[in-house]
Amino acid sequence: SAVISQKPSRDICQRGTSLTIQCQVDSQVTMMFWYRQQPGQSLTLIATANQGSEATYESGFVIDKFPISRPNLTFSTLTVSNMSPEDSSIYLCSVEPGEGVSKQFFGPGTRLTVL
Amino acid sequence: TQLLEQSPQFLSIQEGENLTVYCNSSSVFSSLQWYRQEPGEGPVLLVTVVTGGEVKKLKRLTFQFGDARKDSSLHITAAQPGDTGLYLCAGVGWTSYGKLTFGQGTILTVHP
Repeated sequence: SAVISQKPSRDICQRGTSLTIQCQVDSQVTMMFWYRQQPGQSLTLIATANQGSEATYESGFVIDKFPISRPNLTFSTLTVSNMSPEDSSIYLCSVEPGEGVSKQFFGPGTRLTVL
Repeated sequence: TQLLEQSPQFLSIQEGENLTVYCNSSSVFSSLQWYRQEPGEGPVLLVTVVTGGEVKKLKRLTFQFGDARKDSSLHITAAQPGDTGLYLCAGVGWTSYGKLTFGQGTILTVHP
């Protein structure tokens, strides 16, 4: 398994500002993902964070709004830009070790509230 | 687009009762995963089923993958308050290793 930490765990932000969320893994992993989740609801994939190249975004998500960095195999950041109240959500990173049967490990999430 | 329909959305039962959560799709998946999530935490992987018709048991939890690899179920026997949480199924497609398609989730509450 992999141990994943996220910073910050929660934040309250003003509309129009940006927040960068960090995701750190205790081992090198092939694939990292960023998800969004409304409390008590399911997860929506935002993008796949690719090491050494641009992230791959899912339909409805764009790089200008959610820029992602992945400088190495253990770290990634997601920025939520020009925030509005609709961006209030839980943001989670996950990793796929890429060995054998697919399985993912999730970070604890970042709870974002935009006023 | 692959979709997973998960039901029921809410389940409120008494301790000791049995329950089943269903996950259905018109798409075929290479594997299907079940997660449990508690408030303030990320989802935790319970099991991955890979083979059509496969049945896996994890203590009081029984997971089944349909023969056609389009559906799955989670059965909990003699539920306990500690089973309370959000249960999520997630499918992996054949051409997108690692990318998960999640069901809508089932919020389970087990009352003592």
